[in-house]
Amino acid sequence: EIVLTQSPGILSLSPGEGATLSCRASQSVSSGFLAWYQQKPGQAPRLLIYGVFSRATGIPDRFSGSGSGTDFTLTISRLEPEDFAVYYCQQYGSSPRTFGQGTKVEIK
Amino acid sequence: QVQLQESGPGLVKPSETLSLTCTVSGVSISSSYWSWIRQSPGKGLEWIGNVFHSGSTNYNPSLKSRVTISADTSKNQFSLELTSVTAADTAVYYCTRAKGGGWFDPWGQGTLVTVSS
Repeated sequence: EIVLTQSPGILSLSPGEGATLSCRASQSVSSGFLAWYQQKPGQAPRLLIYGVFSRATGIPDRFSGSGSGTDFTLTISRLEPEDFAVYYCQQYGSSPRTFGQGTKVEIK
Repeated sequence: QVQLQESGPGLVKPSETLSLTCTVSGVSISSSYWSWIRQSPGKGLEWIGNVFHSGSTNYNPSLKSRVTISADTSKNQFSLELTSVTAADTAVYYCTRAKGGGWFDPWGQGTLVTVSS
């Protein structure tokens, strides 16, 4: 199975700053089948990005995805108060589907 | 608007079978693949498996010997059975729609299942 490793584990930033989250795969993710999710305490994960860079419905354009092969990035251009949460990457290029362990974006 | 809602016991005894149902509204389950995912502090997010309305399934090999996922188109529901549970199966269980080959959207609110005697 493909193991996804996210870094950093915790990102401490202030509102208005930019955030760069990394997701590295143990082997190439075929056809760019990579998604990103946001999860807030007590809530289910919410889809942000699919197909590496396609934003899900209703997701603001301050969220963007990039990457290929084994290295992927989620960028949040300017952090809003509601963006402080845990972010997960997920690959669907092979079975079983797998998730990264998450990056927590916290208020500095 | 597509909505999913999990239901089932919140407490299951060790060695027994965990059974959950997901009720889908806003869309026919005949339109997509449907999945179960669980989340525990120790293992993070773990994909359990998925089902198509035809009954076709795909399971995580780590759970395959204990898992059955089925669909009931007449009730617009799909279900999860996990046999021989242990404390390691304690988690929040989510049902979700698998789109475009395998990203998940939307998700149910999740239900906590605790395995304890």
